[in-house]
Amino acid sequence: SQQGEEDPQALSIQEGENATMNCSYKTSINNLQWYRQNSGRGLVHLILIRSNEREKHSGRLRVTLDTSKKSSSLLITASRAADTASYFCATCPPGTYKYIFGTGTRLKVLA
Amino acid sequence: DAGVIQSPRHEVTEMGQEVTLRCKPISGHNSLFWYRQTMMRGLELLIYFNNNVPIDDSGMPEDRFSAKMPNASFSTLKIQPSEPRDSAVYFCASRTGLAEETQYFGPGTRLLVL
Repeated sequence: SQQGEEDPQALSIQEGENATMNCSYKTSINNLQWYRQNSGRGLVHLILIRSNEREKHSGRLRVTLDTSKKSSSLLITASRAADTASYFCATCPPGTYKYIFGTGTRLKVLA
Repeated sequence: DAGVIQSPRHEVTEMGQEVTLRCKPISGHNSLFWYRQTMMRGLELLIYFNNNVPIDDSGMPEDRFSAKMPNASFSTLKIQPSEPRDSAVYFCASRTGLAEETQYFGPGTRLLVL
């Protein structure tokens, strides 16, 4: 089964609002990554947070990680129509090199 | 810089036919990954290579699937014979090495098996 599960499955917000999506995973991890996929395209790496970090920022992105709850959240502030995409978390269990992707959150930002 | 290149971008074939998907990783990247994406199963890792050697093929669904990497700049994923349930988007991704975390994805090949 999938290592990561995102929620919500779909999210629709107005431009300028913040978007928050969550990821839960099952095993211990070395790090957790978030990727974006625009319709009909490949995945693009957004941000990585290591297991010893609790929060990380990159531009309008803020990622938190709670290893005790095996969960992470991605916050996109001041969303834009161009942020419309699917967002996936990916985790790599220790001892492997395989990233396992979650089910994704489909974000729609309305102009 | 050119990213990961995949061909063809779209493939429509009939059940029973052989399908070959191609991938050129980013130059200098030593690790290559093949994924399959469907609505039902999400993004699944099929197989990955390091320095042209297959490391883990436990995600390959059946013997009908095979993958090769004859050199550092080329990999193929072959399905023979193809079946309708193989319809999916197939992605290739590369990264500099297994210890590197960031993966770079190609645009994908959308396969439809009729």
